[in-house]
Amino acid sequence: GQNIDQPTEMTATEGAIVQINCTYQTSGFNGLFWYQQHAGEAPTFLSYNVLDGLEEKGRFSSFLSRSKGYSYLLLKELQMKDSASYLCAVRSGGSYIPTFGRGTSLIVHP
Amino acid sequence: DTEVTQTPKHLVMGMTNKKSLKCEQHMGHRAMYWYKQKAKKPPELMFVYSYEKLSINESVPSRFSPECPNSSLLNLHLHALQPEDSALYLCASSPESANSPLHFGNGTRLTVT
Repeated sequence: GQNIDQPTEMTATEGAIVQINCTYQTSGFNGLFWYQQHAGEAPTFLSYNVLDGLEEKGRFSSFLSRSKGYSYLLLKELQMKDSASYLCAVRSGGSYIPTFGRGTSLIVHP
Repeated sequence: DTEVTQTPKHLVMGMTNKKSLKCEQHMGHRAMYWYKQKAKKPPELMFVYSYEKLSINESVPSRFSPECPNSSLLNLHLHALQPEDSALYLCASSPESANSPLHFGNGTRLTVT
């Protein structure tokens, strides 16, 4: 099985930078995804990491360390619309189906 | 806008009703999924169809019955549900490759009275 851990809730200020961590324990790691989900809406894909290192996409970056079973999502220049739940999802073994962590609720305040 | 379309957006049904949730995608994805999501919880996998065949059933009660009429459509038939089945039901699709993300629909908000 898989064990995926994320903080339940984080708060940050508009314009600031926030880092959301995700740790996982799995056998046969095969990729990690980050999704953003606004309340009552569908999760939307943000990033994918399968090799160690940093992937940058505009204001969002995602980092992976496979040896540490660790990833983070970095959000820069926070905007109010970034208030949402951020889900870490891990693929493992031969499966293409990800398992989701419980999600981190990010609250951005003025 | 999502490329996975779910209908209806909202559904209220009694415990004796029979209803169906519908999902459609035209991205050529051969894997389609049903997830259930309760408030402030992550999506929970229910069913996976691969090439129109049921490949995964995560021990879902028989009052939920999936159907995949063709490669673009996925249905979830509901019968004799319980109030605790009230949740957001999400459909998703993906290519069957490890580095491809799931594409989610906007979900159906189901309330069982």
